[in-house]
Amino acid sequence: DTAVSQTPKYLVTQMGNDKSIKCEQNLGHDTMYWYKQDSKKFLKIMFSYNNKELIINETVPNRFSPKSPDKAHLNLHINSLELGDSAVYFCASSQDLQASLADTQYFGPGTRLTVL
Amino acid sequence: QKEVEQNSGPLSVPEGAIASLNCTYSDRGSQSFFWYRQYSGKSPELIMFIYSNGDKEDGRFTAQLNKASQYVSLLIRDSQPSDSATYLCAVNSGGSYIPTFGRGTSLIVHP
Repeated sequence: DTAVSQTPKYLVTQMGNDKSIKCEQNLGHDTMYWYKQDSKKFLKIMFSYNNKELIINETVPNRFSPKSPDKAHLNLHINSLELGDSAVYFCASSQDLQASLADTQYFGPGTRLTVL
Repeated sequence: QKEVEQNSGPLSVPEGAIASLNCTYSDRGSQSFFWYRQYSGKSPELIMFIYSNGDKEDGRFTAQLNKASQYVSLLIRDSQPSDSATYLCAVNSGGSYIPTFGRGTSLIVHP
C-alpha cells in the first residue's frame, strides 16, 4: 500500500491555466505539507496543515490555495499558472507537528509541473 | 532567517571508501536534525535523525551532531554505487517542528 500518494505524476499546461494536484496519506498522520522543489533541488515548504487546519503558510503567491477536506487529504490548487511555477511539488505527512523531536516527514512521489 | 547550508557537490568517492557529508545551520535553537536521501527523479526518504550531541550509528551510516559548532554530518562507510544520490539535511527548530531543508549534496560513488 502506498503511504503518501499524489496525482497526477506529471502535469503539462499552458500559462494562465488553473490546475489542481491531489494528495492522500493512509498513515493516519495528523499533519500534511506541500513542498516545492525547484530545478536546483532546493526543497521549500509552502503549506502545512494539522488536523485540517492551516498552520504554516509560507510566503507563496495567493494563486496557490491548499484545501484539506479531511486529515488524510491535502490538495493544492493553482490559479493563473506562470512559467516560474514549473517545479516538482511534493506532498508529505508526519505524525504530529508538535509532538516529537523525531517527527519524520514521509514524502509522496512528487508531481512534475511544467508550464509552457 | 533560519538557514541550512550544504555544499552542493558533487562529492565523488570510490567504492568502498567513506563518504562524509556536512551541514551547518544558523538557528541555535534547533533541536532535531534529519538526513534524507533523494535519488534522481524520486522523493526524499529518511535515512537518520539525531537530536543529541555525539554520534548515532545505523548500519553503514553514522550521523554526528555538534550543537556548539552548529554542524551535523553524515558518514557513509563502505560506500556503494547504490549510495549515489542527493543527500538533504533538514533541521527542526523548537516550537513548530517544521523542518528547514538544505539544498542537498550530490554524492557519486564510482566503481
